[in-house]
Amino acid sequence: DIQMTQSPSSLSASVGDRVTITCRASQTINSHLNWYQHKAGKAPNLLIYGASTLETGVPSRFSGRGSGTDFTLTITGLQPEDFATYFCQQGDTTPYTFGQGTKLEIK
Amino acid sequence: QVQLQESGPRLVKPSETLSLRCNVSGGSISSHYWSWIRQPPGKGLEWIGHIYFSGRTDYNPSLKSRVTMSIDTSKKHFSLKLTSVTAADTAVYFCARVDWGIYRWFDPWGQGTLVTVSS
Repeated sequence: DIQMTQSPSSLSASVGDRVTITCRASQTINSHLNWYQHKAGKAPNLLIYGASTLETGVPSRFSGRGSGTDFTLTITGLQPEDFATYFCQQGDTTPYTFGQGTKLEIK
Repeated sequence: QVQLQESGPRLVKPSETLSLRCNVSGGSISSHYWSWIRQPPGKGLEWIGHIYFSGRTDYNPSLKSRVTMSIDTSKKHFSLKLTSVTAADTAVYFCARVDWGIYRWFDPWGQGTLVTVSS
């Protein structure tokens, strides 16, 4: 299985900050990397697919980069509604696997 | 807009079978792949498997011996059965649609249902 290592596991930041979350695959997955936002008790929400393509309706303060094994999700200008858990997922090879998640909290 | 809703028993006894259903509304169940994903408390997400509207399936090898997925296109729902459950199967279970392009993302998801395995 492809292991997805996500860091950090938690992050404290303030409204207006810029934060970056990293996801590393144990082998190359090309650009087959997707990012989600999850708020407790709600359905996870797709943010970015194909490493860098913003899903329709997702604010432009979210951006993704990377290919091969190393990927980042950046939020520029945090808004109160952005405090949530974020996780990555590789769609290159089954079994599809996920990062452990990053909990973004208000400082 | 497609919406998914999981349903089923929230408490299952050890060694018994966990059964969940995902109802699809607001769109077609046909011509799509549908997945089950779970998250044990305090742990990461695990892909359980997916089913095509034709009934073709693909399961995570770690669970393959215990998993069966089925689909009823006329009733617009798909189902998960997991046999011989243990406490390790306690998790929030999500259903989701799979985008079958080259990137294979999950969207939308259901909000998840917590299933506890306990006597």
